[in-house]
Amino acid sequence: QQKVQQSPESLSVPEGGMASLNCTSSDRNFQYFWWYRQHSGEGPKALMSIFSDGDKKEGRFTAHLNKASLHVSLHIRDSQPSDSALYFCAASERVPGTGSNRLTFGKGTKFSLIP
Amino acid sequence: NSKVIQTPRYLVKGQGQKAKMRCIPEKGHPVVFWYQQNKNNEFKFLINFQNQEVLQQIDMTEKRFSAECPSNSPCSLEIQSSEAGDSALYLCASSWDRNTGQLYFGEGSKLTVL
Repeated sequence: QQKVQQSPESLSVPEGGMASLNCTSSDRNFQYFWWYRQHSGEGPKALMSIFSDGDKKEGRFTAHLNKASLHVSLHIRDSQPSDSALYFCAASERVPGTGSNRLTFGKGTKFSLIP
Repeated sequence: NSKVIQTPRYLVKGQGQKAKMRCIPEKGHPVVFWYQQNKNNEFKFLINFQNQEVLQQIDMTEKRFSAECPSNSPCSLEIQSSEAGDSALYLCASSWDRNTGQLYFGEGSKLTVL
């Protein structure tokens, strides 16, 4: 079973609309979560991280974390053409014996705007 | 624009050939990661370094994969004998801290094994 599961696989909304992307972890060793965005032909770029229960807002993006259920979501409001991309949830865990963390990525949600 | 520089952007190799990719991390970042992203967009962690030291690595199955980050030279990832299943986007990322999850990715090297 994948440690980080994302849904939906793909999502389309009209320009100016709101979108919700979901991510669930099966491992309580994960310390915090990241959302990354990858445009076609580019490498992923970090959008935001969250490690406390509740909401974290950055511009048009709001992340929500429920530690009890290990559920993270990303909400995009006022969707813009530049938001069309792959969105990845990534969980960070301490790797024993290394003194460092490692990111485990979900399979991604393909987000696009309805023309 | 990515500040992590990966070369080459595209590699085409025949089965059994060597494939080598290079990465210059963002200036001042001591931690470097290599990930493999397959055609289904799935990420696979390969190895990471802090300066020249390996922090973590997968088994590097069959020992075909090797990587290094020498001092004052680009980091590199090499596949000794390419297989069709190695076709993927190889992403290098750097970070200023081994504990943070904020990685700065390059644009990747896309390997196609014929």
